[in-house]
Amino acid sequence: SQQGEEDPQALSIQEGENATMNCSYKTSINNLQWYRQNSGRGLVHLILIRSNEREKHSGRLRVTLDTSKKSSSLLITASRAADTASYFCARNNAGNMLTFGGGTRLMVKP
Amino acid sequence: DAGITQSPRYKITETGRQVTLMCHQTWSHSYMFWYRQDLGHGLRLIYYSAAADITDKGEVPDGYVVSRSKTENFPLTLESATRSQTSVYFCATLFVGGGLVAKNIQYFGAGTRLSVL
Repeated sequence: SQQGEEDPQALSIQEGENATMNCSYKTSINNLQWYRQNSGRGLVHLILIRSNEREKHSGRLRVTLDTSKKSSSLLITASRAADTASYFCARNNAGNMLTFGGGTRLMVKP
Repeated sequence: DAGITQSPRYKITETGRQVTLMCHQTWSHSYMFWYRQDLGHGLRLIYYSAAADITDKGEVPDGYVVSRSKTENFPLTLESATRSQTSVYFCATLFVGGGLVAKNIQYFGAGTRLSVL
């Protein structure tokens, strides 16, 4: 069973707007990662945030982590049509295993 | 090309038949994984392998068999396919990273879309 959930399950925005996706989990983590999946393709790693970090940036991506609330958020700023994809959070609890959530389907309308 | 390759990309089979999905990597990453992706369930781990000749069950291993005689290959076999095994299957490798803190980043193949009729 999955250890957390992404919220919302689906999100539709206009190009240029910001998109925020949330991820909650139940057990302590070593790190949390976000992956992107374009339709019909495999997942691609976007960004990793360690348990002792609170915020991380990569280009138009900003990830926050609140270990006290066991939650993380992914913000995509100034979205583009090419950002249309599904986004998954993945928790690294121990060892080399990742547990994936159900994903958020993002649609960016031009 | 370097990377991770899955074959076939699409497969249609019948209930009861044996099917093998192939996964090949060119990086020599130690860890390899098989996931299935179904609507409403995200990715669920079927089996993983920490190294050649070392495999272990994941969350949903029933009905599947894996082997890893070579580091670069990690085939997944459905011994007697059932309709409930209709899914998209992804193979992944793990880059642990260097330095003091491991990164545990996974790299995914393009997937195999399997339909069991």
